[in-house]
Amino acid sequence: GQSLEQPSEVTAVEGAIVQINCTYQTSGFYGLSWYQQHDGGAPTFLSYNGLDGLEETGRFSSFLSRSDSYGYLLLQELQMKDSASYFCAVNNFNKFYFGSGTKLNVKP
Amino acid sequence: DAGVTQSPTHLIKTRGQQVTLRCSPKSGHDTVSWYQQALGQGPQFIFQYYEEEERQRGNFPDRFSGHQFPNYSSELNVNALLLGDSALYLCASSLGNRGGGYTFGSGTRLTVV
Repeated sequence: GQSLEQPSEVTAVEGAIVQINCTYQTSGFYGLSWYQQHDGGAPTFLSYNGLDGLEETGRFSSFLSRSDSYGYLLLQELQMKDSASYFCAVNNFNKFYFGSGTKLNVKP
Repeated sequence: DAGVTQSPTHLIKTRGQQVTLRCSPKSGHDTVSWYQQALGQGPQFIFQYYEEEERQRGNFPDRFSGHQFPNYSSELNVNALLLGDSALYLCASSLGNRGGGYTFGSGTRLTVV
């Protein structure tokens, strides 16, 4: 079977840096994606790692270690609008498995 | 440039009925995936369509079926509705088999009573 583990909730203050971890167990693996979802909204693609290492996109970075079955999303210079749920998702040979999501609360 | 469009936005059905949900992919995209998202949970993969064929399928019963049309739009059909089918149904599109970067629609909220 497949499983993805990520913290259920994280709280941080505006301007800070926060890291959301994701560990996974899957029978096949193409890559790890991260999505943001505001309450009542559609998931929005943030980042994708197909190979080990760090991918940087503006204030967001994502890291993957395939040998450790581990990745993380790093959000810098937090803004109030970053308050949302964040999901890691594994591409298992074109079957996609999402974690249960991490609710990020950004406080002033 | 329109993103992914889903219809209807909300739907109420009675247990045992059948429902059809529709999705128009983002312009230029040819692959459509469907997901079920229960409240407070991550999206669960139902299936993916490419070139009018079901390419991959998640752990959903045969009551869930789909179709992709030549214009790349797609339908999700659910037969013999159960109360547990109440959820947000999301459609995501991409160009080909991308590892990431799928564009999601805002979903159809299905309530089964």
